[in-house]
Amino acid sequence: GAVVSQHPSWVICKSGTSVKIECRSLDFQATTMFWYRQFPKQSLMLMATSNEGSKATYEQGVEKDKFLINHASLTLSTLTVTSAHPEDSSFYICSARDGTLSSGNTIYFGEGSWLTVV
Amino acid sequence: QKEVEQDPGPLSVPEGAIVSLNCTYSNSAFQYFMWYRQYSRKGPELLMYTYSSGNKEDGRFTAQVDKSSKYISLFIRDSQPSDSATYLCAVSQGAQKLVFGQGTRLTINP
Repeated sequence: GAVVSQHPSWVICKSGTSVKIECRSLDFQATTMFWYRQFPKQSLMLMATSNEGSKATYEQGVEKDKFLINHASLTLSTLTVTSAHPEDSSFYICSARDGTLSSGNTIYFGEGSWLTVV
Repeated sequence: QKEVEQDPGPLSVPEGAIVSLNCTYSNSAFQYFMWYRQYSRKGPELLMYTYSSGNKEDGRFTAQVDKSSKYISLFIRDSQPSDSATYLCAVSQGAQKLVFGQGTRLTINP
């Protein structure tokens, strides 16, 4: 199946610093990528939808100035958590839509990134 | 009412049993139906993808969609301990975002 690579898998940062997480579609072009946050034993919470070459669309309650999303190419989207605080510690997951006709708009997920803010 | 309802479980069955996981959805405009498997501390993995009503089989997994009842199912035959995970149903409308169920935590006991 299609592969979505997410990096880093885990990161520890100090409170007040910024952290960047990358999401790459390795064998298809992704016009749309999604960023999720997941708390323990809960389902995925959509944070924003990222379209290549345009501004991301954020879900209600998600601070766009805190969670900066850039989708500069058809294979790469980045999420930057700015001025991170301990409450931002979470599991962040990206997904990418394979928009080719044969795939039927299938969405594939990355392996996720664990962020711990100390 | 949530757009997609899924029993969170937990569900525990003996190895070799047939597992049935189900979701209901409220919006008849949903066109795409997916099942993802998520192991602890990992991203979701696409298991099955269907577009129309009916059954789709892939190895030990069968996905079933009944659009008239707005009901989707995933069956796992000859369940294995390695199938222990959280199973998420997801629906979407065209190229729009996925709407997930809560996820069902499944444990297969050896």
